[in-house]
Amino acid sequence: NAGVTQTPKFRVLKTGQSMTLLCAQDMNHEYMYWYRQDPGMGLRLIHYSVGEGTTAKGEVPDGYNVSRLKKQNFLLGLESAAPSQTSVYFCASRERAEQFFGPGTRLTVL
Amino acid sequence: TQLLEQSPQFLSIQEGENLTVYCNSSSVFSSLQWYRQEPGEGPVLLVTVVTGGEVKKLKRLTFQFGDARKDSSLHITAAQPGDTGLYLCAGAYILTGGGNKLTFGTGTQLKVEL
Repeated sequence: NAGVTQTPKFRVLKTGQSMTLLCAQDMNHEYMYWYRQDPGMGLRLIHYSVGEGTTAKGEVPDGYNVSRLKKQNFLLGLESAAPSQTSVYFCASRERAEQFFGPGTRLTVL
Repeated sequence: TQLLEQSPQFLSIQEGENLTVYCNSSSVFSSLQWYRQEPGEGPVLLVTVVTGGEVKKLKRLTFQFGDARKDSSLHITAAQPGDTGLYLCAGAYILTGGGNKLTFGTGTQLKVEL
């Protein structure tokens, strides 16, 4: 039982490049979330999903897209990366009141 | 956007000291959670408080939810180096379509030295 896994762990992009972050959970949770964490700002919700095939915007969705084609996977896409998207990205899945977080992806956009 | 302010932002203390971290908001939450995060890892849930005025204890950690469900505190007694980490509070609110969302606080970075 791996819990929540994220790939990749690190990535460096140039401005304008695109990439996809993958989140996978093996706990059969309906709810999944993508957050970004920046110094002094806690975690901010980018997008979330309440079940397979559904997605919704969070607090800071601009510049990101998501897809939830399979229940266990939640993908976060950056179509045209910008330096402001340099951050640590966390995925989480939820059971009842508890969110379970992945180890994070550290993304640097030059 | 519902904001949660934590104080202090940084705290460096000696082993054996006591400390309190505060989490404040102008918004009412259905519940409030405290997470601890270690370097290179995601946050891990410590506790959930639901009822106004509720107090929960987890070994040397005491969590309190304000009567109006807008604020919370975390008190650590006799801190140990293993308590070092980033402490995050998170307020939960119900989504109109079902489920809930969390708003995270700004975090308190605690360092406990020998």
